[in-house]
Formats: sequence, C-alpha cells, structure tokens
Amino acid sequence: DIQMTQSPSSLSASPGDRVTITCRSGQRINTFLNWYQHKTGAAPKLLIYAASKLQSGVPSRFIGGGSGTDFSLTITSLQPEDFATYYCQQSYDTPVTFGQGTKVEIK
Amino acid sequence: QVLLVQSGSELKKPGASVRVSCKTSGYTFTGYSLHWVRQAPGQGLEWMGLINTETGDPKYDPAFPGRFVFSVDTSVGTAYLQISSLTPEDTAVYYCARGDYSEFIETFDFWGQGTVVTVSS
Repeated sequence: DIQMTQSPSSLSASPGDRVTITCRSGQRINTFLNWYQHKTGAAPKLLIYAASKLQSGVPSRFIGGGSGTDFSLTITSLQPEDFATYYCQQSYDTPVTFGQGTKVEIK
Repeated sequence: QVLLVQSGSELKKPGASVRVSCKTSGYTFTGYSLHWVRQAPGQGLEWMGLINTETGDPKYDPAFPGRFVFSVDTSVGTAYLQISSLTPEDTAVYYCARGDYSEFIETFDFWGQGTVVTVSS
C-alpha cells in the first residue's frame, strides 16, 4: 500500500492567514493526488485533483502543487468557512489511500 | 444535479448484520464506479473498495474481510454495503462516493451524506 503522510496534523490560524499543508507519498505517484475538505457532519468535498487542478466551483484561494512524492495545498487567505479537516488521497494505485488529515482550527 | 442519498443511522447489536444503501440520481448510474469509504470515531478516511456498477464486480481493500459485501441494483440506481457479524469495531460513518476520471486520474467527485452505524450491546 502507498502510505500518505500529511503535516501538520493540526494547525491554528486566523481568517485572512495563508496556510500550507503538505503531503508526502511513500513512493512516486506522479500527480495522481487529490485533496478533499471535510467538515464534521458533512460529506467530504473534492477541492483539487491531479495535484494542481481546481475542481469546478472551488474558490481560487485553494492552490495545489507538487509531483512525485511531495505535494502541498495552500489556502491563500483563510475564510471562516475553510475551517475543516483536509485530506490528501493518492489514486496512483489500489488500494486508494488517504493521508491522516490536517485539522485547520480557528486561532 | 448529481445526488447520492444514503440510508439513515443504524444501531445494531454485536453479531447482527446491517445494509447501508446509496441511492443515486442525476447521472447515468452505470457510467461511474461507486466507492465506499469509512471513518471510524476520531479517525480519518479509509477506502474500503469499489464496485463496477455496470458489471457488478466488486474490488475490496484487503483490510476489509469477507464480512463486507458491495452490491448494486441498476434498476433503481442504488448501491449497497452489507456488513455481517458486526462488532463494536465496525462503529463508524460509512460514505459512498462516485468515482470519476478527470485528466486520467480517478477522483471521488460526489459523496453521500454518510450513514452512522453504531454497534453496541
């Protein structure tokens, strides 16, 4: 199985801050990397696919990058509705695997 | 619009079985795979496997033993997750998600709202 490791596990930030979450895969996965936002009690939401492509309807403040084994998700100006848990997920090989999640909390 | 609507919360005793449904609408059911994802209490998202909605062939993550069974009813555009011989460790939120390909990469672009399964005596 391809292990996905996110950092940090949690962070505290204020509205307007720029935050970056990183994700590392246990082997090279080209750009077969997606990012999801998950709020408690709601369905997860696809934000970024193919490492850097913005899913339709997702605000442009979400920026994905990276390839190979190292990836990042940046929120350029944190909005109140962005406080949630974020997961990276590789679709290079089955079984599909997710990172452990990064919880973004209000400072 | 694309919708995946799951069945309601379930409270089961150890040893019982449960069936979770995922009713889809707004797209051609057999044109996309259907995945199942689990979130145990305090844990992250865990992929359980998928089902080819056209052929009915399932593919399971090896971490999920034969107690977990995926099926579909194409006549009503619905996928099912059946779990037998439930244990308290099966307590979790179970999600269905549609698999789509964007730029040759499979994504989970639409999700059900989740079904809470609680196993307790």
